[in-house]
Amino acid sequence: DAGVIQSPRHEVTEMGQEVTLRCKPISGHNSLFWYRQTMMRGLELLIYFNNNVPIDDSGMPEDRFSAKMPNASFSTLKIQPSEPRDSAVYFCASSWEGGELFFGEGSRLTVL
Amino acid sequence: GENVEQHPSTLSVQEGDSAVIKCTYSDSASNYFPWYKQELGKRPQLIIDIRSNVGEKKDQRIAVTLNKTAKHFSLHITETQPEDSAVYFCAARSGGSYIPTFGRGTSLIVHP
Repeated sequence: DAGVIQSPRHEVTEMGQEVTLRCKPISGHNSLFWYRQTMMRGLELLIYFNNNVPIDDSGMPEDRFSAKMPNASFSTLKIQPSEPRDSAVYFCASSWEGGELFFGEGSRLTVL
Repeated sequence: GENVEQHPSTLSVQEGDSAVIKCTYSDSASNYFPWYKQELGKRPQLIIDIRSNVGEKKDQRIAVTLNKTAKHFSLHITETQPEDSAVYFCAARSGGSYIPTFGRGTSLIVHP
């Protein structure tokens, strides 16, 4: 397996624009996580899916953030409208039955 | 919910010295404690983990200890090398959840 695949690796956008981050988890994994990493706040869990169903979205900052997992092999994290404070590295991770988390390479978002 | 405290936030050692990173957790139901290493610009990756039925686990130069009574666990790295320089994250997970709670991370710098 190629591991967790995220795209884009880098995104630079202007305030107010819509941003969509994509994730393909490892085949067979049933848990998917979206994390945001910043120097100030460390690794923050945004949302957790189990078997494609959102289980915990308490970390989603506000209504500007939304996440979907239409099937077992694809998830998106959308920010609309984006703001400069959303600038961060966004990681997707997947796991099987609460085991080791396998992280993607991350999407570095810069909002100007 | 679970709360994980990690110390120190920065640790600087000379090559060959030992390094110790300490974490405490709040939920006595937590039973799985992984450690992740994140090199600069890379993704976090699991380096070692321990379950609550074990007090210590070793893997070459790294070891993790767990004190369930005190609710703390530690990562020990012996004979540090420059390639050990990275950010290390501890985490704790309750048996009833697939979601690990991460500490804020420790930036380890090993000087040649």
